[in-house]
Amino acid sequence: NAGVTQTPKFHILKIGQSMTLQCTQDMNHNYMYWYRQDPGMGLKLIYYSVGAGITDKGEVPNGYNVSRSTTEDFPLRLELAAPSQTSVYFCASSRWTDYYGYTFGSGTRLTVV
Amino acid sequence: DAKTTQPPSMDCAEGRAANLPCNHSTISGNEYVYWYRQIHSQGPQYIIHGLKNNETNEMASLIITEDRKSSTLILPHATLRDTAVYYCIVRGPIQNYGGSQGNLIFGKGTKLSVKP
Repeated sequence: NAGVTQTPKFHILKIGQSMTLQCTQDMNHNYMYWYRQDPGMGLKLIYYSVGAGITDKGEVPNGYNVSRSTTEDFPLRLELAAPSQTSVYFCASSRWTDYYGYTFGSGTRLTVV
Repeated sequence: DAKTTQPPSMDCAEGRAANLPCNHSTISGNEYVYWYRQIHSQGPQYIIHGLKNNETNEMASLIITEDRKSSTLILPHATLRDTAVYYCIVRGPIQNYGGSQGNLIFGKGTKLSVKP
């Protein structure tokens, strides 16, 4: 049982390039989330999904896209990367009821130069 | 904006109880109090949550005041590995949240330093 797995762990991206951050969970959780965390700050929700085929925007969705074709996977796409997207990105998942809390991945540290 | 107020930092001696306060004076009747912690840039870890009754699990205890406007997370015997940022979050139950479901609003939390 691996929990929530994020890849890559680190990446340097040039301005204007695009990339996909991968997130997969093996707990059969319906709900999945993407957060970003800037230095010294709390986490902010980018996008979330309540099940395969269903996604919605969170607090800071601009510059990102998501898809949820399977229960297990919830990739985050960055289009036309900007320095403001330099951050640590966390993926999380939970059951339909979060009695047991959210399970977070270990994060992807992204630098846009 | 976060609905909670926490002190920015606290120290605790190893082996002693760590009591982390949180104010949530605008909490609604169906909103829960959640606690997470984040150890040095790792992903946040769920600790405990409660509605109005005190709760205890293998990690910690949660004491919620009768008026529900504040709460305290208690780590009964703090160890060096408990050094982390602790987040207090107020939110409705996920199945009833609607809108931006699951939007845990993380403030800056309390940085707890456990010292030998």
